[in-house]
Amino acid sequence: NAGVTQTPKFRVLKTGQSMTLLCAQDMNHEYMYWYRQDPGMGLRLIHYSVGEGTTAKGEVPDGYNVSRLKKQNFLLGLESAAPSQTSVYFCASRVGLGPTGELFFGEGSRLTVL
Amino acid sequence: GDSVTQMEGPVTLSEEAFLTINCTYTATGYPSLFWYVQYPGEGLQLLLKATKADDKGSNKGFEATYRKETTSFHLEKGSVQVSDSAVYFCALSDRSGGSNYKLTFGKGTLLTVNP
Repeated sequence: NAGVTQTPKFRVLKTGQSMTLLCAQDMNHEYMYWYRQDPGMGLRLIHYSVGEGTTAKGEVPDGYNVSRLKKQNFLLGLESAAPSQTSVYFCASRVGLGPTGELFFGEGSRLTVL
Repeated sequence: GDSVTQMEGPVTLSEEAFLTINCTYTATGYPSLFWYVQYPGEGLQLLLKATKADDKGSNKGFEATYRKETTSFHLEKGSVQVSDSAVYFCALSDRSGGSNYKLTFGKGTLLTVNP
């Protein structure tokens, strides 16, 4: 059972470089989310999607872009990486409408920007 | 806006001790409440949830009761084990229409259980 899969799991970038994190889910979930986790800050929502072809900004969207071209995939892009984007990134999905649904998380992607 | 406040960690206990991790919330609507757990090197996973006032969520010996009058959802376990060592996150999902049911997380509480 794959669930939510994130790639890559680790990446080191230099300031100004670009990269894309891929999230794939095999549960046919409508909603997908990107969070970042920083020490003492908990999880903060970057962007989210409520269905294929839709995206919306979360709490800390600056410096990131996202795309949801296929229902099962949610991509997070950094066009010009900055040291402040050093973090652990988590993708999550949930089944759809209603506030009671469980979030399923990937294992995380650790990004270091030098 | 919505917010979740958890007790500051880290929390260090001996095996078989009683655990309480406090969580209080602020929400504009009538939220659902969750506890998620993150074991070392892993993503978060749902531990328990409650969707209405006075509901009690329970799983793996952990319990939490949705207290609307005190806006709280404290996590408890009667006898912790070394395997419970993890980071615990309290979260809420607001039902208000414009939120698209986003989850708001607390900052997390690191629990270490020593043998």
